[in-house]
Amino acid sequence: GQQVMQIPQYQHVQEGEDFTTYCNSSTTLSNIQWYKQRPGGHPVFLIQLVKSGEVKKQKRLTFQFGEAKKNSSLHITATQTTDVGTYFCAAMNYGGSQGNLIFGKGTKLSVKP
Amino acid sequence: DAGITQSPRHKVTETGTPVTLRCHQTENHRYMYWYRQDPGHGLRLIHYSYGVKDTDKGEVSDGYSVSRSKTEDFLLTLESATSSQTSVYFCAISEWQSYEQYFGPGTRLTVT
Repeated sequence: GQQVMQIPQYQHVQEGEDFTTYCNSSTTLSNIQWYKQRPGGHPVFLIQLVKSGEVKKQKRLTFQFGEAKKNSSLHITATQTTDVGTYFCAAMNYGGSQGNLIFGKGTKLSVKP
Repeated sequence: DAGITQSPRHKVTETGTPVTLRCHQTENHRYMYWYRQDPGHGLRLIHYSYGVKDTDKGEVSDGYSVSRSKTEDFLLTLESATSSQTSVYFCAISEWQSYEQYFGPGTRLTVT
C-alpha cells in the first residue's frame, strides 16, 4: 500500500542548532501535511503543501514540497526548547475516501538547553 | 483547539471485556476518524466516518467496530479487548474538502 517514509526517527540537537526532517514517497503525492505532537499531547496541524516546489514559512519553520511531489522537508532554524516534540508528515491516501491520511512514523526532536 | 473531547481519557480493563471509547465534536465537521498510536508505528487509522451512519475501515480495523448515530458523536468499540489493543487512541475530525485534521486529546487504554 501507499507509504510515506520519514527520516530520521530521532534527532537530538543543542539549542540554537538547526533541524531538518524529511518525508519521502515512492508515488506522486497530491499534497502533504505536517503535524507536531508535543510530549504527552495530541497531533496539531501545522501546514499543508499542494504545489510542486512549494515553500512556506512559519517563523523559524520552513516547509518544502519537492518538484516531483514525492518528497517534503521541514526545517527549523535555531531550535528552541519549545520545538521539542514529534513531527509527522501525512499524505492523502488515494485508496481511501476524502481526507484519509497516511502518516509517516515521525521524527522525535529533543533539544538540549 | 477545535472542540473535540474524548472520554474516558484513561482506562484500564481486563482481557476479554468490551470497551467503548467516545469522541464528541462541537464543530459540525462531516468527517471523523479513529487512530491508534503505538511506539514505532506512528498514527494508524482504525475506522473513519464520512457522515451519519456512514463508516468505513482503515488500516488496522480488525477487532474494532464503530458507530455514528449523530454528527457530533463517533464511538469506537472493542468487542473483546486484547493486550495488543493497549494503546493511545486519538479521534480526529475534518471538514468537507478541507483536508487538515484536528485531533482530540486522546484516550490511553491499557488492557491487562
